[in-house]
Amino acid sequence: GAVVSQHPSWVICKSGTSVKIECRSLDFQATTMFWYRQFPKQSLMLMATSNEGSKATYEQGVEKDKFLINHASLTLSTLTVTSAHPEDSSFYICSVAGYNEQFFGPGTRLTVL
Amino acid sequence: KQEVTQIPAALSVPEGENLVLNCSFTDSAIYNLQWFRQDPGKGLTSLLLIQSSQREQTSGRLNASLDKSSGRSTLYIAASQPGDSATYLCAFYTNAGKSTFGDGTTLTVKP
Repeated sequence: GAVVSQHPSWVICKSGTSVKIECRSLDFQATTMFWYRQFPKQSLMLMATSNEGSKATYEQGVEKDKFLINHASLTLSTLTVTSAHPEDSSFYICSVAGYNEQFFGPGTRLTVL
Repeated sequence: KQEVTQIPAALSVPEGENLVLNCSFTDSAIYNLQWFRQDPGKGLTSLLLIQSSQREQTSGRLNASLDKSSGRSTLYIAASQPGDSATYLCAFYTNAGKSTFGDGTTLTVKP
């Protein structure tokens, strides 16, 4: 399957700052990537679908102006959490859409103080 | 909207027991089903993938089944080991690529 990396693996930031998370598909050209968020002891919730070369599609209740997604190439999608607040603290996971399954990155733990 | 329920939410068993984790879904128009394990604070490890035309998949001590008519999938773990302790998640995908995850079953296998 595809190998997916995320950077950084964890980040701590002050409230009000913006944080960029990278998702890279190392060995697979990913037309579509997905971004998920997972709060403690909860399951993964799909935030948005990232399509290479076009605007991302956001799930209901996810603010597109707060969670900026850029999928500029077939190997890289970025999620920027703008003006982060403590309630944005979460585990963010990306995945790459393969032929019939998704391949997940290791996740990025964001803590907003 | 697809809803996915996993039962039980938590399970504690002694080492060596066989066990079954359950996953139920409301929408039978699924493309495929995937079981994952997640260790605390870590990402997802894919265990088994069942396509909608299949009924089960096996890998080592793991067996996953899919019954679309009843809206259920089960993950069977044989001869459980302490290293199997983790949270197990099931996820359903539509052919549009949308996925819905269950809340997971947290398994503890006691030595």
